[in-house]
Amino acid sequence: AQSVTQLDSQVPVFEEAPVELRCNYSSSVSVYLFWYVQYPNQGLQLLLKYLSGSTLVESINGFEAEFNKSQTSFHLRKPSVHISDTAEYFCAVSVRGSYIPTFGRGTSLIVHP
Amino acid sequence: DTGVSQDPRHKITKRGQNVTFRCDPISEHNRLYWYRQTLGQGPEFLTYFQNEAQLEKSRLLSDRFSAERPKGSFSTLEIQRTEQGDSAMYLCASSLIQGTFYEQYFGPGTRLTVT
Repeated sequence: AQSVTQLDSQVPVFEEAPVELRCNYSSSVSVYLFWYVQYPNQGLQLLLKYLSGSTLVESINGFEAEFNKSQTSFHLRKPSVHISDTAEYFCAVSVRGSYIPTFGRGTSLIVHP
Repeated sequence: DTGVSQDPRHKITKRGQNVTFRCDPISEHNRLYWYRQTLGQGPEFLTYFQNEAQLEKSRLLSDRFSAERPKGSFSTLEIQRTEQGDSAMYLCASSLIQGTFYEQYFGPGTRLTVT
């Protein structure tokens, strides 16, 4: 079985500062990796995904994540955050060929003005 | 495309009562998933359907939980004899089998409080 660890439950940061949300996973087989975002009072939305190919994946709103197989990590980064990035971020993993993700506990990103 | 909708958004019930939640997926989506999310945790997969067939139900939390998707469109999740530990957010998602990746689109959830 696979599992996901998000070590930081909350990450406070000032607007325009860089941020990294950490995600580590464990699995005995090849995996797909995902980041989901949940804005207040909204459903989860897929932010970005790694299926295969380039280990660096990007979202349309400036986030990126890098798949590191040796460190079993998929950290999420953004060089300059906005107030509107305040949300809950979930890292997830699924076994290749299965699209049922196992989610981490989530990291609350709080952007201060 | 109106997105995935769930009804009700909030439900308060007394211990021992039965509750039923409804999920309406995006209209052309043939897969529908149910998750439970408790406070401070990520979503936990419960079951999923492809059209009207329930393909995975071993992860339903107990035999008090059941789900249906009778015509391959909307789905219901029922919890019988509710317990305080059932208090959680129940999420529904849907996806379209197309190509090699099936992105799940989530609804806003139904928050259940068992008193």
